[in-house]
Amino acid sequence: EAGVTQFPSHSVIEKGQTVTLRCDPISGHDNLYWYRRVMGKEIKFLLHFVKESKQDESGMPNNRFLAERTGGTYSTLKVQPAELEDSGVYFCASSQVSGGVQNEQFFGPGTRLTVL
Amino acid sequence: AQSVTQLGSHVSVSEGALVLLRCNYSSSVPPYLFWYVQYPNQGLQLLLKYTSAATLVKGINGFEAEFKKSETSFHLTKPSAHMSDAAEYFCAVSVYNFNKFYFGSGTKLNVKP
Repeated sequence: EAGVTQFPSHSVIEKGQTVTLRCDPISGHDNLYWYRRVMGKEIKFLLHFVKESKQDESGMPNNRFLAERTGGTYSTLKVQPAELEDSGVYFCASSQVSGGVQNEQFFGPGTRLTVL
Repeated sequence: AQSVTQLGSHVSVSEGALVLLRCNYSSSVPPYLFWYVQYPNQGLQLLLKYTSAATLVKGINGFEAEFKKSETSFHLTKPSAHMSDAAEYFCAVSVYNFNKFYFGSGTKLNVKP
């Protein structure tokens, strides 16, 4: 079974440019999460999809960030325009709904974003 | 509100020595607690989780953690460190099923030969 995949693995852009990150969750996982880790600090929650619906987007920093999950499969996270403070590692995770038990979140390898 | 504190951003042990990585949490409701490990260039991998069953939780690769409500702690231990344990370890808390995780800032474990 393939794990969570993320593309690209690295992205270097200039301030003001646009970047789109992609996440492919494990097949059949309805829950999809985005997290971000900035400069060795804690990994912070950005948002949570259940299928194609945004369940919780309380962690989105501002309106320069736009996440979508059309069709409830893969998700994209767009940053437009990018600022220096957006640099960090963006992680995607997915989990399945199963009998009300707290299931682990399976994480992708992350996308390292550098804004110059 | 929920939060996690990991004491020690870097921990160094000798091969064969005890590994102890500290995690304290804050939660207003009964928590679910997790330890994840990240090896270089890889995603986070679940080591173990506490979901209100046994307070002593055994995970993969010989790791275990004990939930202590009175101390609000969930420290990770391994009796004998191996070189392959060198990685970054993250403690996380969530409070409802399928809810977001709150992570600590991570502890990098170095294992000396």
